[in-house]
Amino acid sequence: GAGVSQSPRYKVAKRGQDVALRCDPISGHVSLFWYQQALGQGPEFLTYFQNEAQLDKSGLPSDRFFAERPEGSVSTLKIQRTQQEDSAVYLCASSLDTEAFFGQGTRLTVV
Amino acid sequence: QQQVKQSPQSLIVQKGGISIINCAYENTAFDYFPWYQQFPGKGPALLIAIRPDVSEKKEGRFTISFNKSAKQFSLHIMDSQPGDSATYFCAANPGTYKYIFGTGTRLKVLA
Repeated sequence: GAGVSQSPRYKVAKRGQDVALRCDPISGHVSLFWYQQALGQGPEFLTYFQNEAQLDKSGLPSDRFFAERPEGSVSTLKIQRTQQEDSAVYLCASSLDTEAFFGQGTRLTVV
Repeated sequence: QQQVKQSPQSLIVQKGGISIINCAYENTAFDYFPWYQQFPGKGPALLIAIRPDVSEKKEGRFTISFNKSAKQFSLHIMDSQPGDSATYFCAANPGTYKYIFGTGTRLKVLA
């Protein structure tokens, strides 16, 4: 596709449930990022991949958050035992150099 | 030191007017300053970006002014249109992969 694709667009999870969010980056983009955007706030960095290597996961809020990009293209962000404070929009972005292209995000609501 | 401070939080401008959004940073390692536009339900989209070796960059109705000594940069939207109504985020990149975003400015342009 032409842009970064994320699925699902919306996810409602019961507290304690595990969720998996998918990101299809722009073809050929080496770098992939995950950001978390709380309501009314700017995106905050979660983690960074260069190809399949996760080079930085310093922004992941807890060990319940896990991200992978096994073949250097599609990435999955997994959240285990979801909590209400995990409710946010999760944005994926990819880039070839400096310019990052964002997907539409997945809005996660934990009830 | 890693923060980017953005103001105002919200802005209302008449059609045809000039919208001005300001950002300030402290980390002198930042060397790439993009502005993103985000519509409701969409991911941030790159609008315009600047590096600190220039003081101004103009693309159509959008201009970034950069003051390296004051560590400030601003977005000017000339001839503002109702279609410009969106949330605008400034960001900074310290020459690596990680973007630090401002808190956003919600712009409303009145018809």
